[in-house]
This record gives sequence, structure tokens and C-alpha cells, in this order.
Amino acid sequence: DGGITQSPKYLFRKEGQNVTLSCEQNLNHDAMYWYRQDPGQGLRLIYYSQIVNDFQKGDIAEGYSVSREKKESFPLTVTSAQKNPTAFYLCASSPIDYDGPNNEQFFGPGTRLTVL
Amino acid sequence: DQQVKQNSPSLSVQEGRISILNCDYTNSMFDYFLWYKKYPAEGPTFLISISSIKDKNEDGRFTVFLNKSAKHLSLHIVPSQPGDSAVYFCAALGTGGFKTIFGAGTRLFVKA
Repeated sequence: DGGITQSPKYLFRKEGQNVTLSCEQNLNHDAMYWYRQDPGQGLRLIYYSQIVNDFQKGDIAEGYSVSREKKESFPLTVTSAQKNPTAFYLCASSPIDYDGPNNEQFFGPGTRLTVL
Repeated sequence: DQQVKQNSPSLSVQEGRISILNCDYTNSMFDYFLWYKKYPAEGPTFLISISSIKDKNEDGRFTVFLNKSAKHLSLHIVPSQPGDSAVYFCAALGTGGFKTIFGAGTRLFVKA
């Protein structure tokens, strides 16, 4: 089945440790995204990537890093520099349709990160 | 600066009645608008979209209306069902763009 997967679903880390969240898609989508959701807030864009080996900062990139070595994979590292890392993290992918509306995003199930 | 605003954090509706979720935007360059539905501890799923050249798009029980002059769109769910209880996000993007701007979401409660 085509889809987007994130692992693990729940993650606990000690303060000061870096942690990497996995995101894989087999939808052959060019674009991938990382969002963060906090209680009572919408989705805030952390990083996005249009193509392999290229990515751009979103609205809240500080304290995060990403890589895009393969089209299918877009891992997110939450570094110790991120002041409030406890949140629900969502990965998404989409085609890039420059002429039309087919840019709806497909989301993974999310990873809830808790920093103790 | 919120480009996409959902001013109602929650909405409660009786089963069988109409649910109306509202969304306002500030950027007149947006060309496409989307609604996503999200259950707790899951990723959002795409629900319905509308191009800026249209004023209405319908898909089963879901209809999205767009008023460009007012920079306002709304999602109508008729009839509402308990399974519709979720958070609904309004989103927007420009032509050729793929970076989607999301609103803060509205939590819909449909009471049986």
C-alpha cells in the first residue's frame, strides 16, 4: 500500500539529547514537510524539501535539522538547542503540480516526542 | 502574522444538523484552498479543496464556499454525523506553490 510512515509513534528523551524522527514515503512525491503541532495550535512548518539534497527552513526551524538524501526519506533531528521540543510532530509529502491544485499533502500518523 | 485564520476554536452541533466551519485569509495571492480533518493522535487527512476561480465545490455531505471579495471560505457539513467530530484545518497555497499555510483549526463536536 502507498503511504507515509513515521516512527516511532511515541518517543521519550532526556533533556539535552538529540533525537531523530523517521519519515518515509512510497508515494513517489517530490515534496516532503515537517510540522509541529502544540495543544490548541495549528500546524507550524519546521522544514520542507522539494527535491533530493535540497531543503528550506520553515517558520520554526531553530533547533531542528533535516536531510534529504533519498526521495523517500526525510528524517528530522530535534537538537538540544530546541527550547521546547515536547510536541506532536507530523511529516507530510505531496506532489508538486506547478500548473494546478494537485498539491494536497498526505500526512503520516505522527510522532509524539516527550522530553523529560 | 497569520495569513489563514480560523477564529472559532470549537463548534458544537447536534447530529443531523448543519455544521459550518469558517476561515478567513489575508493573502489575495492564494489560489487554492483546502480543508483537512484530523482525529486525535493521527495525521490530518485531506477532505475537500476549491480553486479561487470557483465559488463552490461539493463532495457528498461536504461543501466548501469561497467568497474572494471577503477573503472568506466556509465548510458546510450536512447532515452532521458523530463520526465528523474532529479538528478541521483550513489551508491555502498559491499557484505553482506547494508550501501550504494552515489555520489553527476548529474542533467540531457532533452530539448524538
